[in-house]
Amino acid sequence: DIQMTQSPSSVSASVGDRVTITCRASQGISTWLAWYQQKTGEAPKLLIYTASSLQSGVPSRFSGSGSGTDFTLTITSLQPEDFATYYCQQSNSFPPTFGQGTKLEIK
Amino acid sequence: QITLKESGPTLVKPTQTLTLTCTFSGFSLSTGGVGVGWVRQPPGKALEWLALIYWDDDNRYSPSLTSRLTITKDTSKSQVVLTMTNVDPVDTGTYYCVHYRLGWIFDYWGQGTLVTVSS
Repeated sequence: DIQMTQSPSSVSASVGDRVTITCRASQGISTWLAWYQQKTGEAPKLLIYTASSLQSGVPSRFSGSGSGTDFTLTITSLQPEDFATYYCQQSNSFPPTFGQGTKLEIK
Repeated sequence: QITLKESGPTLVKPTQTLTLTCTFSGFSLSTGGVGVGWVRQPPGKALEWLALIYWDDDNRYSPSLTSRLTITKDTSKSQVVLTMTNVDPVDTGTYYCVHYRLGWIFDYWGQGTLVTVSS
């Protein structure tokens, strides 16, 4: 299985800040990577797929980049509703696997 | 508008069989390219993909759980059923039903159902 490693595990930031979360795959996955947002007590929500494609309805302050083994999720101008846990998931090969999550907390 | 909703027991005893049902709307599981799957999340932990059934009845299982899982569909009822045999306390968690689209992308999720395995 492809292992997905996210860093940091948690990050504190303020409203209006820019935040970057990193995801690394244990082997190359081209751009077959998705990002999900999960708020406390809620189901995950798809934000980005194929590394940089924004899911319909997701604000443009979210963006993704990367290819091969290294990927980033960037949130510009953090809003109060963005404080949540973020997961990456590789969709390159079976079985699909998720990272361990990055918790974005209010500073 | 695609929606999915999970249902099933909240408490199961060790060694028993867990049966979860996903009832969905807004799409048909007879449409090419479509699938419905299951993802679980132990309390405070990360997401783990479990199983998927495609529109053509093909299915896939997590290699680590394949011997314990069965996924079936009833297209006429817009339902997908997951059974997990011989449950253990480590199977405790929230189980999500997900809509799959080509490329192992899970674009819609149910609200999840919390299952506790305990005697």
